[in-house]
Amino acid sequence: AQKVTQAQTEISVVEKEDVTLDCVYETRDTTYYLFWYKQPPSGELVFLIRRNSFDEQNEISGRYSWNFQKSTSSFNFTITASQVVDSAVYFCALSTNQAGTALIFGKGTTLSVSS
Amino acid sequence: NAGVTQTPKFRVLKTGQSMTLLCAQDMNHEYMYWYRQDPGMGLRLIHYSVGEGTTAKGEVPDGYNVSRLKKQNFLLGLESAAPSQTSVYFCGTSGGSSYEQYFGPGTRLTVT
Repeated sequence: AQKVTQAQTEISVVEKEDVTLDCVYETRDTTYYLFWYKQPPSGELVFLIRRNSFDEQNEISGRYSWNFQKSTSSFNFTITASQVVDSAVYFCALSTNQAGTALIFGKGTTLSVSS
Repeated sequence: NAGVTQTPKFRVLKTGQSMTLLCAQDMNHEYMYWYRQDPGMGLRLIHYSVGEGTTAKGEVPDGYNVSRLKKQNFLLGLESAAPSQTSVYFCGTSGGSSYEQYFGPGTRLTVT
């Protein structure tokens, strides 16, 4: 079975706090891809990152960083010094070679950043 | 270069009515998908296509049909709408598993 679990339904922080969004995945495939998408209040889906199963290097992009650990099947997302504009729903997703490489989404984490 | 477009953006249907949602992409991608998003559920795959003339069922296909007569278009049909189909529908497209999936802006459908 393939599954993505985002255990945190909602997180509230104050501006400038750091926040980590958790993502745990399940798959028996050895080749797979992990994604994070952002859905702001306007509703569109914004691609943030893609990581393949053979690349466990952490990645940093500005205030965003991702920690991929195959040993714990996790792909966590950290926002450093959060801002009000980071308020959104964040989805973690998994893709393999099944179902035409469609994405399997977690249920999402709603992040609210207050000033 | 519009990317992925969806028509219409909003629609209200009465129970039993039918409609077709259109997804169009100008990225020459082989793979296309229809997802639905419901509160607290994330996005779930309805149907997908790996190329022109091919379609397959996803996780929640009941009550929907699809067609991919042209590579750039992927249609989602509701033959007899039900209130349980009230949702936001997203179309996605991809060049394959190692590539990013691009999404349309979504269609908000309400069935009364």
